[in-house]
Amino acid sequence: EPEVTQTPSHQVTQMGQEVILRCVPISNHLYFYWYRQILGQKVEFLVSFYNNEISEKSEIFDDQFSVERPDGSNFTLKIRSTKLEDSAMYFCASRVYNSPLHFGNGTRLTVT
Amino acid sequence: GEDVEQSLFLSVREGDSSVINCTYTDSSSTYLYWYKQEPGAGLQLLTYIFSNMDMKQDQRLTVLLNKKDKHLSLRIADTQTGDSAIYFCAEREDTGRRALTFGSGTRLQVQP
Repeated sequence: EPEVTQTPSHQVTQMGQEVILRCVPISNHLYFYWYRQILGQKVEFLVSFYNNEISEKSEIFDDQFSVERPDGSNFTLKIRSTKLEDSAMYFCASRVYNSPLHFGNGTRLTVT
Repeated sequence: GEDVEQSLFLSVREGDSSVINCTYTDSSSTYLYWYKQEPGAGLQLLTYIFSNMDMKQDQRLTVLLNKKDKHLSLRIADTQTGDSAIYFCAEREDTGRRALTFGSGTRLQVQP
């Protein structure tokens, strides 16, 4: 069964550094998402992406965050200058029209 | 805004049925989902129900939807130790905002 893949599984970075989290959505999917889950807390929506543009973003997704689909298969989340509070599990998800979201296994980001 | 609430913890004995409950506030919710998260893993879609349905059964899983009370439940028959995980309820509306809103998750502990 096709699945969403995320790399790396764990990323450690220093405060103030840029980090790029990578995702390969399921190949025929059209809608792409990033969510995050701070340890012990709710899964929170960050951003959705469709037709090569952001379709919706939450208040968490400020100017420090950006997304890109550079080559038709990868979907990336960039954090420009990481803060301690960015430490979380980041989940990528994708779907086709009117179907459930399929999530990857996540990237655990640790900012030190 | 939308809100999804779940109880935090449920403990059952192996072989018993588990019932995990969820309430939501958004009356325009169109799709309601149950995801399972095992320790350190991603979000696995278990099942979902469209808002014009009252019930959906899939092997050991039964989803009940009371749209009037905005109440969703997941029943797991013959609960096994492998069912121990966090179960997230999530909703999505079909007008405007298309991202999922998650509950805080219910930790199911299955005792042998």
